[in-house]
Amino acid sequence: AQSVAQPEDQVNVAEGNPLTVKCTYSVSGNPYLFWYVQYPNRGLQFLLKYITGDNLVKGSYGFEAEFNKSQTSFHLKKPSALVSDSALYFCAVREGRNNNDMRFGAGTRLTVKP
Amino acid sequence: DSGVTQTPKHLITATGQRVTLRCSPRSGDLSVYWYQQSLDQGLQFLIQYYNGEERAKGNILERFSAQQFPDLHSELNLSSLELGDSALYFCASSPGTGHNSPLHFGNGTRLTVT
Repeated sequence: AQSVAQPEDQVNVAEGNPLTVKCTYSVSGNPYLFWYVQYPNRGLQFLLKYITGDNLVKGSYGFEAEFNKSQTSFHLKKPSALVSDSALYFCAVREGRNNNDMRFGAGTRLTVKP
Repeated sequence: DSGVTQTPKHLITATGQRVTLRCSPRSGDLSVYWYQQSLDQGLQFLIQYYNGEERAKGNILERFSAQQFPDLHSELNLSSLELGDSALYFCASSPGTGHNSPLHFGNGTRLTVT
């Protein structure tokens, strides 16, 4: 079965600095990878996805993610962090052969300090 | 606004009781997913329905059951409630069974079992 790991519980960055939130995945087939963001007392919001094609995927709010097949990683990045980016970020994976469920990582809390 | 509606927003009940959580998917979406989010377990996939039929089952307890009705809304029934069932329960929807479709989440139902 597919799984995803987010090795960092917490990431702290200063406003204006680049940010990276890490994600690694495990699937037996082709991975379909997603990033979501969760603000307090809200549901998860879709940010971006990788299905196929270009390894660098651009998404909402200036976020992007880089798919690396050899390292089985899909790290979320942003060139210049904003205080408003502070939230809980989830990486998720679907296995290409079995699209029936999406598995989420444990989440990484991003704090951007002014 | 994701277009996914969950009711109620909050639910407080006692151990041993039974509750029903309701979800209306986005207009046109045929798939409904249920997830449980707790502090120590992260986001756990419970069950998925597609057009009224169960498609995938995750870590759903036998005390829990769900169904999707002809109008595509879904209900999650939790019975013989225990303190450990206290969590946020999210519903998500997607158009169909396509593996590249992101999920769209409701804002959740916060269940407190006392």
